[in-house]
Amino acid sequence: AQSVTQLDSQVPVFEEAPVELRCNYSSSVSVYLFWYVQYPNQGLQLLLKYLSGSTLVKGINGFEAEFNKSQTSFHLRKPSVHISDTAEYFCAVIKVSGNTGKLIFGQGTTLQVKP
Amino acid sequence: EAGVTQFPSHSVIEKGQTVTLRCDPISGHDNLYWYRRVMGKEIKFLLHFVKESKQDESGMPNNRFLAERTGGTYSTLKVQPAELEDSGVYFCASSRDGRRHNEQFFGPGTRLTVL
Repeated sequence: AQSVTQLDSQVPVFEEAPVELRCNYSSSVSVYLFWYVQYPNQGLQLLLKYLSGSTLVKGINGFEAEFNKSQTSFHLRKPSVHISDTAEYFCAVIKVSGNTGKLIFGQGTTLQVKP
Repeated sequence: EAGVTQFPSHSVIEKGQTVTLRCDPISGHDNLYWYRRVMGKEIKFLLHFVKESKQDESGMPNNRFLAERTGGTYSTLKVQPAELEDSGVYFCASSRDGRRHNEQFFGPGTRLTVL
């Protein structure tokens, strides 16, 4: 079975500061990894994904994430946040093989950017 | 291109009543998914349609939940009779094909409150 743990439920940060949102996963099979973001009153939107190859993945809005296989982590980073980055962020995995499109999510991390 | 839409956005019902949630996927997307987030918990997979067929319904909590996708277009999720623990946000997502690395596009969700 797969599981995803987001280590922080809330992360407060000042505008223009760097931020890291942590994600660890557990899986006995190969998985693809995703970060989604949910802005207030909207659906989840894909930020970035790791499929294979380079372990540093760049996404939209200046976010990037690094896949670390030995630590089974996929932490999300941004060097300088904006007020508009205030949202809830979800880490998710999906099995590489199989016949289901089942995403498995972490508990979510609320990023609160303060002026 | 219109995104995934869900109706209603909010629903408040009493225990024992019936509620039907609707999801309209992005046009041309054969794959449709339902997820649920109970307050304070992670987003959990309910089921996956490929066109009108149920590909994976392993996440459906019990037989009070019935999902349909007649004609392979929109989908409904009926809860009958509703219980208090069914309260939460129900998300629908769609993808063009079932390849697991593809993005699932999410709707804004239906917030269900059972009193």
